[in-house]
Amino acid sequence: GAGVSQSPSNKVTEKGKDVELRCDPISGHTALYWYRQRLGQGLEFLIYFQGNSAPDKSGLPSDRFSAERTGESVSTLTIQRTQQEDSAVYLCASSPRGTARNEQFFGPGTRLTVL
Amino acid sequence: AQSVTQLDSQVPVFEEAPVELRCNYSSSVSVYLFWYVQYPNQGLQLLLKYLSGSTLVKGINGFEAEFNKSQTSFHLRKPSVHISDTAEYFCAVSDFGNEKLTFGTGTRLTIIP
Repeated sequence: GAGVSQSPSNKVTEKGKDVELRCDPISGHTALYWYRQRLGQGLEFLIYFQGNSAPDKSGLPSDRFSAERTGESVSTLTIQRTQQEDSAVYLCASSPRGTARNEQFFGPGTRLTVL
Repeated sequence: AQSVTQLDSQVPVFEEAPVELRCNYSSSVSVYLFWYVQYPNQGLQLLLKYLSGSTLVKGINGFEAEFNKSQTSFHLRKPSVHISDTAEYFCAVSDFGNEKLTFGTGTRLTIIP
């Protein structure tokens, strides 16, 4: 079946502009995660959705970052007033159940470049 | 707070030689441990995981890892590498009951023909 998909694959934007990144999880997966991977660094947790529960936003680096998820489907990560330090690969993952025992399935990522 | 250390950012290995990629973690509670692999221009995929039971776990493509609680390590090994093993390898940890994964900074494995 289809894996996790993300769009766009690449995004170049100017400092100060807003961007939206999209994630389509695997059908039936209740948990969805967003991570950020800066050059030469590990994956940094941003936000976690599990079913209809309130999302865990503890990893969002500032109030310029927000994310939404419609039910158990598509999620959108929005970055407002982008800064150069926001340049990174943004990864989305989904999991059949939101527990640590379950493997997370990753999308190919969106490479964001802020000029 | 938990953390993961992958001391080697790059590891060059000759083809058919053995390899060990090191991973150490810090956590005050019991953990689940994972190794993910990212092949060039592809997304991360699970290589293997330790949840409980036997401390030696086997994964895909001939890789294995051993959980050592006393040394808080989860090193990844393969007895004979192939060109196709060229990739970036990430170690990750999550606490029992915590759905978030904490990742290391990754180790880039380069196979030399």
